[in-house]
Amino acid sequence: AQKITQTQPGMFVQEKEAVTLDCTYDTSDPSYGLFWYKQPSSGEMIFLIYQGSYDQQNATEGRYSLNFQKARKSANLVISASQLGDSAMYFCAMREGYSGGSNYKLTFGKGTLLTVNP
Amino acid sequence: DTAVSQTPKYLVTQMGNDKSIKCEQNLGHDTMYWYKQDSKKFLKIMFSYNNKELIINETVPNRFSPKSPDKAHLNLHINSLELGDSAVYFCASSLAGRNTGELFFGEGSRLTVL
Repeated sequence: AQKITQTQPGMFVQEKEAVTLDCTYDTSDPSYGLFWYKQPSSGEMIFLIYQGSYDQQNATEGRYSLNFQKARKSANLVISASQLGDSAMYFCAMREGYSGGSNYKLTFGKGTLLTVNP
Repeated sequence: DTAVSQTPKYLVTQMGNDKSIKCEQNLGHDTMYWYKQDSKKFLKIMFSYNNKELIINETVPNRFSPKSPDKAHLNLHINSLELGDSAVYFCASSLAGRNTGELFFGEGSRLTVL
């Protein structure tokens, strides 16, 4: 079973509008972390935002916010006021608890390609 | 200053050759990784080292041999290259025990096997 599922291969949004990128995860570990990364066409991986499983509030970083619904095991990324420079591939990732070597790796979803239209 | 640097950025080689990719981080992190990104952009972990000790080896063929001379360096050597090895290889680092523990990635090394 996939640990991270991103069901939207591609998304389109108009400049200045908000967009939500979906991510669901699967783990039985009570301690985990969820991450979003951005990969523009230039190829580098840019860390955007983090949510810990015990965090009470949804994480926010500037125009990025993470809509964390623990019971539903979802961690959607919301980008407000989209900009042309937001066009990129977006990856959701999870780090599971501290058993064995699991805390040393992130498992990534397959990504969502976001296109921002002018 | 580049935090995580990989060399070379591009590598084109023939099947059967042996090649290496080098990685260095100047962030003071204690954990380093190699990830492989295939043509469909899927990122999969290959190896993880913590303080020069191999922590994760994700069923990677033994043609791939990582080497960590110190905690700031993690190199990847690939023997007998095959067509399927063509991919972008990312080095990354993190600080174990840090609350968020996000990975800092290098720019990637695009390997093309002909």
